[in-house]
Formats: sequence, structure tokens, C-alpha cells
Amino acid sequence: QKEVEQNSGPLSVPEGAIASLNCTYSDRGSQSFFWYRQYSGKSPELIMFIYSNGDKEDGRFTAQLNKASQYVSLLIRDSQPSDSATYLCAVTRGSNYKLTFGKGTLLTVNP
Amino acid sequence: EPEVTQTPSHQVTQMGQEVILRCVPISNHLYFYWYRQILGQKVEFLVSFYNNEISEKSEIFDDQFSVERPDGSNFTLKIRSTKLEDSAMYFCARGGQGAYGYTFGSGTRLTVV
Repeated sequence: QKEVEQNSGPLSVPEGAIASLNCTYSDRGSQSFFWYRQYSGKSPELIMFIYSNGDKEDGRFTAQLNKASQYVSLLIRDSQPSDSATYLCAVTRGSNYKLTFGKGTLLTVNP
Repeated sequence: EPEVTQTPSHQVTQMGQEVILRCVPISNHLYFYWYRQILGQKVEFLVSFYNNEISEKSEIFDDQFSVERPDGSNFTLKIRSTKLEDSAMYFCARGGQGAYGYTFGSGTRLTVV
């Protein structure tokens, strides 16, 4: 069973702080890694993807990948109350691009 | 707003009834997917559809489920005889460059009573 594990939280940070979200995966053959944001009752929204070891930055978001440790993380700088949502980690393997999701981490940013 | 629209947004059906969930409109993409999310659970893959054929399906996608692209644009998921445990949010997704992630539809909340 290929698993993606996330701390379910809730993770609570004050406005303006850095939020750090973590994810581990069991399938060493995983090729691409994604972070989705999901507001309650809404569909997942792609924030970032990464497929090479190291860091990838996009605005206030930085994704970090360590394939040796099978670990991927998302940092959100200058957190805003609008960032409050569940963050889903997902991985793919193979040409079909089927996503395997973690259960998500609930982030709350307090004003 | 998501680029992929699903209808209906919410459907309530009696156990044993057939439901058809629709994904409209669809632009010219090759890959389509259906996922579901039971309340409080993770998003789960159901089926992928490539070039008008099922390319992969999960254990969840049993004989009660079917997918079609009836008119070349709409993409449907049919559940023939709904069970209580089919109650969930159902998301379709379109992809073309799946390595870069893909876009989910707005979702249909299915409630089986």
C-alpha cells in the first residue's frame, strides 16, 4: 500500500509567521510531488509542484524535497488568515499521473 | 473559480438509485480523472480516462461505477445502484501535463439516504 503521511494538525500560527507543513511518502518510485490547498467544502487547488531534490520557491511558498528521506515540505512565509485551510500533499508515479493524497494538515492563521 | 465545472453541485438520492455526475465543459485534454473524498477522509483516486478509454481504476471503482465521454465534451461518472457509503464529494479533474499537476472541478456532493 503506497502511503502519504501528514500530521493532521491543527497547526496554528500567528499572522505574519512562517508555517511549516510536512509530508512523508512510502513509495520510493514517486516522481512528482504536489501541494494542494483545500478550503472546507471546496475542491483542491494546486499551490506548487516539485520533482527535483532541493527547494522551489514561488512567492510566499517554498516547497522542499528530499528523496533520500522520502520527505517533502511546504513553507508559507508571512502567513495570512486567508491561508487558513487544509493543505494536501500528493505524489504521482508513472505516466498515468494518478495522485495519491495524504489526509491533509489543517492550518489556522490567527490574526 | 475552477476551470472545470461539475453538475450538480449537490445531489441527494435514495439508496439503490442510479446517479450520473457530470463534468462540463471540458476543453481539449487527453487525461481525465475522477476522485472522491468521504467527509473527513483523504482524497481517493477512482479512475483515469485517457484517449476515451479507462487507463487505470482503483479497487473502489467496482462494477457499480462507469465513466463515459458521451458527446466528446462532457465527462460523466455513473453509479448504478448507490449505497450509503457512496456519500462523498466527487471531483473530476483534467490534465494534459500531469507531471505539473492538474485542475480539479468544483465537485459534486453526493448524499445517499
